Amino acid sequence: AQRVTQPEKLLSVFKGAPVELKCNYSYSGSPELFWYVQYSRQRLQLLLRHISRESIKGFTADLNKGETSFHLKKPFAQEEDSAMYYCAPWNRDDKIIFGKGTRLHILP
Amino acid sequence: EPEVTQTPSHQVTQMGQEVILRCVPISNHLYFYWYRQILGQKVEFLVSFYNNEISEKSEIFDDQFSVERPDGSNFTLKIRSTKLEDSAMYFCASSELTGIRGSAQYFGPGTRLTVL
Repeated sequence: AQRVTQPEKLLSVFKGAPVELKCNYSYSGSPELFWYVQYSRQRLQLLLRHISRESIKGFTADLNKGETSFHLKKPFAQEEDSAMYYCAPWNRDDKIIFGKGTRLHILP
Repeated sequence: EPEVTQTPSHQVTQMGQEVILRCVPISNHLYFYWYRQILGQKVEFLVSFYNNEISEKSEIFDDQFSVERPDGSNFTLKIRSTKLEDSAMYFCASSELTGIRGSAQYFGPGTRLTVL
């Protein structure tokens, strides 16, 4: 069965400290991988996608096929990073399975 | 920048009533989706729609649910006979291409459905 695991429900990090939001997936085939973010009172929006190998707002995510992980990282947290983060693999069917999400709380 | 819009922002209905949630996807997008999020829980996929037909649906999307693209711009989700457990935030999304090619989904602001 397709499964996405985000083990931390809440992650509190001091401003300026490194951030790592964990995501593990269990999928057949090679899914495409995304991270979505939802800031307070805003809509869900794409943060980054593996296929683009991009860095958005200082965040990067490395796909580790051996560990089936796609952890989201940022070297120095900022207060505006406080939000809900969803890991979202997309397999060959036309649906995204969202993880349960991790609430990132940046402490001043 | 174009955005997905949804109406209404909040819908209150009595159990057993029919509701229609409306969405206007981004105009050049070809793939359309509905998701729901029960309060305090994760975002759950309901259905995807392409080329005027359902391409994928989840176990949640039973016979009480239907989707339609009645014209060139709207994409609707109908719940035929609402139940208390249908109370949730419903998100519409659209994408230019299918996600397996890395196409991002763009989400609407959501409709909060409250079933009394």
